[in-house]
Amino acid sequence: DQQVKQNSPSLSVQEGRISILNCDYTNSMFDYFLWYKKYPAEGPTFLISISSIKDKNEDGRFTVFLNKSAKHLSLHIVPSQPGDSAVYFCAALRSSGANSKLTFGKGITLSVRP
Amino acid sequence: DTAVSQTPKYLVTQMGNDKSIKCEQNLGHDTMYWYKQDSKKFLKIMFSYNNKELIINETVPNRFSPKSPDKAHLNLHINSLELGDSAVYFCASSQWGLGTGELFFGEGSRLTVL
Repeated sequence: DQQVKQNSPSLSVQEGRISILNCDYTNSMFDYFLWYKKYPAEGPTFLISISSIKDKNEDGRFTVFLNKSAKHLSLHIVPSQPGDSAVYFCAALRSSGANSKLTFGKGITLSVRP
Repeated sequence: DTAVSQTPKYLVTQMGNDKSIKCEQNLGHDTMYWYKQDSKKFLKIMFSYNNKELIINETVPNRFSPKSPDKAHLNLHINSLELGDSAVYFCASSQWGLGTGELFFGEGSRLTVL
């Protein structure tokens, strides 16, 4: 039962253009949504998050949008840079004290062409 | 001064053998985790420990035994390895209760069972 879905396995964009990475979820009880970035042979690193009570969060070139009615979130990267080429994981957090845990999607590989 | 370090990075072993992966964090976090990334690329939680106490055990076979000698260390021992255990295993840490969901991952340990 995949509660967090990233249906597109890959995305290729031109340097300087916008990258839009999509994510869908099924559980309306999630409290936070996050994006993690992963380079080859490294662990995932936190990129940006959004609370379930917000619809937008921006941090420099990265913006996450949340549409709760559609159970959909997206990560916008603008302008895209070659160094953004990585695997991006969408994740959702159900906060329950010590039992809190993140549920991850299977990632999308972003390639930014110079 | 890596925040979350795990060793070894690579293990290649035969079916039926026993192997261990060690993990250490120097972030002062109370909670540590083991995640498994299988061939389908999903990152799935296996265990979480809070200050040496097992909190989450996601129906992992009992051939997998985590051990936390102190809150800065969480090791994973796997008995009687099977082909299906081949995966990348990530150690991670966080503040208690996961806060807003930020996990700090190690670089991963790629296990190949032949």
